[in-house]
Amino acid sequence: QVQLVQSGSELKTPGASVKVSCQASGYTFISYPIHWVRQAPGQGLEWMGWINTNTGDPTYAQGFTGRFVFSLDTSVSTAYLQISSLKADDTAVYYCAKGYGSGPRFDSWGQGTLVTVSS
Amino acid sequence: QSALTQPRSVSGSPGQSVTISCTGTSSDVGGYTYVSWYQQHPGKAPKLMIYDVSKRPSGVPDRFSGSKSGNTASLTISGLQAEDEADYYCCSYAGSYTVIFGGGTKLAVL
Repeated sequence: QVQLVQSGSELKTPGASVKVSCQASGYTFISYPIHWVRQAPGQGLEWMGWINTNTGDPTYAQGFTGRFVFSLDTSVSTAYLQISSLKADDTAVYYCAKGYGSGPRFDSWGQGTLVTVSS
Repeated sequence: QSALTQPRSVSGSPGQSVTISCTGTSSDVGGYTYVSWYQQHPGKAPKLMIYDVSKRPSGVPDRFSGSKSGNTASLTISGLQAEDEADYYCCSYAGSYTVIFGGGTKLAVL
């Protein structure tokens, strides 16, 4: 069955970087895009963007350019989210999700990775 | 780009029906037939309930249905059950290979 397994929780200090992984199984990884979604504590879902797993081309939502980088290692069916120059308001749960085409159909989700930024 | 507009909360009694609205613009909800709905229980990942406005993934009960009129999409849950109590989010294609979520609606089953 389709499964997305994310890396574990992270505690970082302001200014540091973090890299979250999302390993896919149960389907052909390069056939479906991976989307990233942020959920700050007590807040709603916020779409961060997606990466074309066939070409590696990323698309970033407004507000997620510059410090946020999506990447892939197709040899291990894994997508990555790297955030640099972390700030306190980056504290959130970050989800990866398997997409379908370019639309908002995310049929499988990772379990989420909590990134806490605190001094 | 602002989030799609959803009511903060709705409620209903077991067995009743509730409808959650999701209002956008002609650049997102009104412009495409690509609206999805997600259910999220506390501490859990979201789950796809409806896609392409009104299609249900396999395994989702037919008590859940979706529709759209103009710039507003709707999720209707009939025959409310206790386990339906959760947060619900709409999500729409917004052009140029981007999507946008609604602010979320908390459903209480009284």
